Amino acid sequence: DAKTTQPTSMDCAEGRAANLPCNHSTISGNEYVYWYRQIHSQGPQYIIHGLKNNETNEMASLIITEDRKSSTLILPHATLRDTAVYYCIAYNAGNNRKLIWGLGTSLAVNP
Amino acid sequence: DARVTQTPRHKVTEMGQEVTMRCQPILGHNTVFWYRQTMMQGLELLAYFRNRAPLDDSGMPKDRFSAEMPDATLATLKIQPSEPRDSAVYFCASGLGSLSTDTQYFGPGTRLTVL
Repeated sequence: DAKTTQPTSMDCAEGRAANLPCNHSTISGNEYVYWYRQIHSQGPQYIIHGLKNNETNEMASLIITEDRKSSTLILPHATLRDTAVYYCIAYNAGNNRKLIWGLGTSLAVNP
Repeated sequence: DARVTQTPRHKVTEMGQEVTMRCQPILGHNTVFWYRQTMMQGLELLAYFRNRAPLDDSGMPKDRFSAEMPDATLATLKIQPSEPRDSAVYFCASGLGSLSTDTQYFGPGTRLTVL
């Protein structure tokens, strides 16, 4: 099963870029990297996903290394509302592999 | 603004009682996930449905938990009998699953307390 490892916690100053790393060294060739975040007491919220190429949307950018063993989620201008737990998971709906969520990274954006 | 809805939002019950949690997926979505979240274990996948058929329920204790989709607009998760260790937040998520990608949209959760 594709497992991911993330730092337990990170801090970021408001207005600065937040770079959240994720290791997924056992990812298979067709598994996508997904990022979600969970603000306290709410359901997780989808942020972005990618397979090989870097991706960008209105919320964030996703940088995936060439060997696909790690990725970085970038919040370009972090705000206080970005304080949340960020989850990185590796998944392909067509694979018979269990979907595993880790404990994520608790990001604190400080004023 | 389409959203996944879950009822009830909070449930307090006594050990041994039956608990039923309901989820209304986003209209048109064909996949439904049930998760349990605790401080110690994080998010655990309990069951996964595609087009109302169960694809994976390996994370669910079969002796007491059951998950069904009576129709495309309703998913249920039942616990019978409930135990204190079942206390957790239960999330439902739905998605437009393809053969490879499946972005999940989560509901607000049901906070279950079993005394």
